[in-house]
Amino acid sequence: QVQLQESGPGLVKPSETLSLTCTVSGGSITNNYWSWIRQPAGKGLEWIGRIYSSGNTNYNPSLMSRVTMSVDTSKNQFSLNLTSVTAADTAVYFCARVMPGMVKTTSRAFNVWGPGTMVTVSS
Amino acid sequence: DIQMTQSPSSLSASVGDRVTITCRASQTISTYLNWYQQKPGKAPKVLIYGATSLQSGVPSRFSGSESGPDFTLTISSLQPEDFATYYCQQTFYTPPTFGQGTKVEIK
Repeated sequence: QVQLQESGPGLVKPSETLSLTCTVSGGSITNNYWSWIRQPAGKGLEWIGRIYSSGNTNYNPSLMSRVTMSVDTSKNQFSLNLTSVTAADTAVYFCARVMPGMVKTTSRAFNVWGPGTMVTVSS
Repeated sequence: DIQMTQSPSSLSASVGDRVTITCRASQTISTYLNWYQQKPGKAPKVLIYGATSLQSGVPSRFSGSESGPDFTLTISSLQPEDFATYYCQQTFYTPPTFGQGTKVEIK
């Protein structure tokens, strides 16, 4: 079955760019929506954005000015860049797959998640 | 953004208890409501999607329902492996938003 794995630096300096990659295995990245979600320690979940395999994106308005997502279908990977990070961006970052199928049926639930990767913003 | 309000924020229950968690959206979201279970150090896992559909592989003691503006997750007979934090999520509006979570602890 489809599995996801996040990768990237665990420590990023303030004002720099956080870059993460999610590798999809056990299935194709094509014809699916993929999302990034984050969770600060001890807090709730925040949706960052989603990307379709064609490259179409939707971002959370609260982060839109700093977020870019991209997809590399040849590598079965999609990526997240978050610029100008501060301590408030310290969190566990998850990648996830939006459940495929008709939206009215699936409710765009996230049915496959990566294990998450901890990113700390600190000098 | 759509605010999702879960209640209670935490609860203590015993194995075998019936547990209900409620979620209310700040605006109408049709049935675009999902429930997740998260254990410490792990990614969330979808339990219910579309308000009432049980995700494949999830035990049938979990169920979801809708009544007016309220959505409910019910665990019919709490098992030891069910102690976790539960989140609701709306996906009718962008951005999708989550409730603040309900922590289910052992009594």
